[in-house]
Amino acid sequence: AQTVTQSQPEMSVQEAETVTLSCTYDTSESDYYLFWYKQPPSRQMILVIRQEAYKQQNATENRFSVNFQKAAKSFSLKISDSQLGDAAMYFCAYREYMDSNYQLIWGAGTKLIIKP
Amino acid sequence: DSGVTQTPKHLITATGQRVTLRCSPRSGDLSVYWYQQSLDQGLQFLIQYYNGEERAKGNILERFSAQQFPDLHSELNLSSLELGDSALYFCASSVDRGISGANVLTFGAGSRLTVL
Repeated sequence: AQTVTQSQPEMSVQEAETVTLSCTYDTSESDYYLFWYKQPPSRQMILVIRQEAYKQQNATENRFSVNFQKAAKSFSLKISDSQLGDAAMYFCAYREYMDSNYQLIWGAGTKLIIKP
Repeated sequence: DSGVTQTPKHLITATGQRVTLRCSPRSGDLSVYWYQQSLDQGLQFLIQYYNGEERAKGNILERFSAQQFPDLHSELNLSSLELGDSALYFCASSVDRGISGANVLTFGAGSRLTVL
């Protein structure tokens, strides 16, 4: 079974600085999708960014960007100009095709702390 | 507000009891997914329904069951509850039945179940 690994249980960053959250995954597929979701204290799971494996260009969404390295099976999230509202759990997820259906496989999450 | 509504937000019950969690998907979405998030863990996929029919099943215990009604709302029934069932239960919805890898799930705020 595919797995998603987030090796940093917790990260902290000074407000306005840049932080990178790491994610690695294991797959034998060539075409797949990767996601970063944010879970603030409100518990809501919010999609941050999405990357399609067949696209070489790294996805960006405003202050959020990814460093997608397909050969290394790495999918890190960079948050620029960190804001207090970015404090949350961040989950990396891989979209797996299984039994004629796509399902998300989740990492354990990284808790991001923003220092004012 | 994501458009996915989950009730109740919090539920405290005793071991051996049965509870029902309810989810109303976002307007226009036909698929409903149920996930379990235990403390400091990623999400575990339980089950998916599409337009009233079971579409995919994950690590759902036999004590748990779900269904999706004609109005597309879904209920997750948890019976013979054990202490280990204490978790956050998320419902998510999507417009398609899960055959697109790019399919984005919209999550509800979750139902926190505490079993004493």
